[in-house]
Amino acid sequence: EAGVVQSPRYKIIEKKQPVAFWCNPISGHNTLYWYRQNLGQGPELLIRYENEEAVDDSQLPKDRFSAERLKGVDSTLKIQPAELGDSAVYLCASSLGSGSADEQYFGPGTRLTVT
Amino acid sequence: GNSVTQMEGPVTLSEEAFLTINCTYTATGYPSLFWYVQYPGEGLQLLLKATKADDKGSNKGFEATYRKETTSFHLEKGSVQVSDSAVYFCALSDDTGGFKTIFGAGTRLFVKA
Repeated sequence: EAGVVQSPRYKIIEKKQPVAFWCNPISGHNTLYWYRQNLGQGPELLIRYENEEAVDDSQLPKDRFSAERLKGVDSTLKIQPAELGDSAVYLCASSLGSGSADEQYFGPGTRLTVT
Repeated sequence: GNSVTQMEGPVTLSEEAFLTINCTYTATGYPSLFWYVQYPGEGLQLLLKATKADDKGSNKGFEATYRKETTSFHLEKGSVQVSDSAVYFCALSDDTGGFKTIFGAGTRLFVKA
């Protein structure tokens, strides 16, 4: 079974430029998460989808960040414009269900560097 | 709000040593507790979990017991191997007000041969 796929793995951009990250979750997983992980910290949730509906986007900085999950499968996270403080690893995860005890499966992440 | 505090690293041990990584939590509800592990260059993966008080999660020789009275979920292994070198994250998740998983800052473990 294929795991969670993310691309690109690495991205270097100048500040004020746009950037997009793509995630393909495990087949059949209805719940998809985007996390941001700063250096030396644990992941912090940005947005959670159940199918195509964003059910928790309270931590997403909506002035510059946007996300979509069309057809309830793949998802894209976008930053426009990027700021220096956005440098981090962006993780995508998926789970079969949406309960608190459900195991989340993580992709390898996209390491973003904003210069 | 909910929070997770785990011991700072790095932790450096010799092979076959005993491992303890401390984790304590604050939660308003009755959370599920997790340990995730991140090997170099890979994504986080679930190591073990416990969903209610006094439950013991175990996997690959690691274990942790959900202690409600001390709000703790310490990770232990009796004999570590070089291949256990990784970053370990304690996490909690509960359904209060719409569930969200909260992760600790992670503890890096180095095991020397």
